[in-house]
Amino acid sequence: QLQLQESGPGLVKSSETLSLTCFISGGSIRRSNYYWAWIRQPPGKGLEWIGSFHYSGNTYYNPSLKSRVTISVDTAKEQFSLKLTSMTAADTAIYYCARELHYNSAPTAHDFDYWGQGTLVTVSS
Amino acid sequence: DIQMTQSPSSLSASVGDRVTITCRASQSISHYLNWYQQKPGKAPKLLIYAATSLQTGVPSRFSGSGSGTDFTLTVSSLQPEDFATYYCQESYSPLSRTFGQGTKLEMK
Repeated sequence: QLQLQESGPGLVKSSETLSLTCFISGGSIRRSNYYWAWIRQPPGKGLEWIGSFHYSGNTYYNPSLKSRVTISVDTAKEQFSLKLTSMTAADTAIYYCARELHYNSAPTAHDFDYWGQGTLVTVSS
Repeated sequence: DIQMTQSPSSLSASVGDRVTITCRASQSISHYLNWYQQKPGKAPKLLIYAATSLQTGVPSRFSGSGSGTDFTLTVSSLQPEDFATYYCQESYSPLSRTFGQGTKLEMK
């Protein structure tokens, strides 16, 4: 059974950079039909996609965050990471990592079928 | 960018009721629409993918329909564990992934 687990600081100061890691167990990051994603949810609000990547190097970012986001992967350790720079109070959220399963029948179509439990990140001034 | 609009934003219902939630896309997304259920303090859970396909392990009282721009999630007979927030998500755009704003299903 695939499991995802986020790890990182629960508190980040304003203007600093957030670094989170997602550890994968029970599966491999190197599968052709899997992307791996970061999604966040401000307290009491809806879901916002941050970005997705494929181990081959294809990476897509939310245009509203693109200038501040980097997603990277360590295939040997079966983990991937998120860096979000210039944090503000608006970035306070629960951050989830998720597996993005792409369909063989339609390569761009996908769903998020496995999620980590999420980690709350609070930005302090 | 594709915009996803859910209605209603909140809904009160009773155990045993039939409930329908609607999701509308700002442009045609064919059948590339997913539905998720989220309970307080938990990660979202995939219920329906590709508009109509039930994810493994999801009870058959959940169903999805629609194509193009208009989609629905139906719960045929609400159970106590179904009170949660539901999100739609388009999987048509190759460069972005957009969720609806959510529909909170509450007990009447």
